[in-house]
Amino acid sequence: DQQVKQNSPSLSVQEGRISILNCDYTNSMFDYFLWYKKYPAEGPTFLISISSIKDKNEDGRFTVFLNKSAKHLSLHIVPSQPGDSAVYFCAASGGGRIQGAQKLVFGQGTRLTINP
Amino acid sequence: DGGITQSPKYLFRKEGQNVTLSCEQNLNHDAMYWYRQDPGQGLRLIYYSQIVNDFQKGDIAEGYSVSREKKESFPLTVTSAQKNPTAFYLCASSIVTGTAYGYTFGSGTRLTVV
Repeated sequence: DQQVKQNSPSLSVQEGRISILNCDYTNSMFDYFLWYKKYPAEGPTFLISISSIKDKNEDGRFTVFLNKSAKHLSLHIVPSQPGDSAVYFCAASGGGRIQGAQKLVFGQGTRLTINP
Repeated sequence: DGGITQSPKYLFRKEGQNVTLSCEQNLNHDAMYWYRQDPGQGLRLIYYSQIVNDFQKGDIAEGYSVSREKKESFPLTVTSAQKNPTAFYLCASSIVTGTAYGYTFGSGTRLTVV
């Protein structure tokens, strides 16, 4: 049962335009959401996060929106740059969290390609 | 600089062999995790550990074993019982107190069965 889903395996965007990556979740117990960026043969790096008490969090060119009623979040990158080309993973925490350790549940990832 | 080191970066294993992947962190994090990445399936949790000498199975623990004898180290053994071990393996760590969330990941080990 995939609790966190990224239904678009890939996305291609023109440099300078907005990139929008989507993520859906099914577990209403999730209370914290994160986006990670991953280059080939490297580990993911943290990008931005949002708590369930908010509906928007912004950090420079990156903004994450959370729609709790729809169980949907999205990552907006504007303007998109060539260095943004990577795989982006959505992750969620809180559903079944064991005291102490954070069991993040990841989506399948979306490969973003920024075209010059 | 603090971080997580995974070694080796590439590893080849023959059918029927056990192989151990190394993960070391100097972030003073209590919790450590092992994930596996397969194409189209995202990251799946294999094992995690909240404290030294304690670890718990994740979603896909069959065919794997771990140990946590030191806070800094969380090695993963891929045994011959793992039916499809070829994958990219990621180690991560995190704090267990406070309100901060999120992992720090290592750079990964790509395991190929030959």
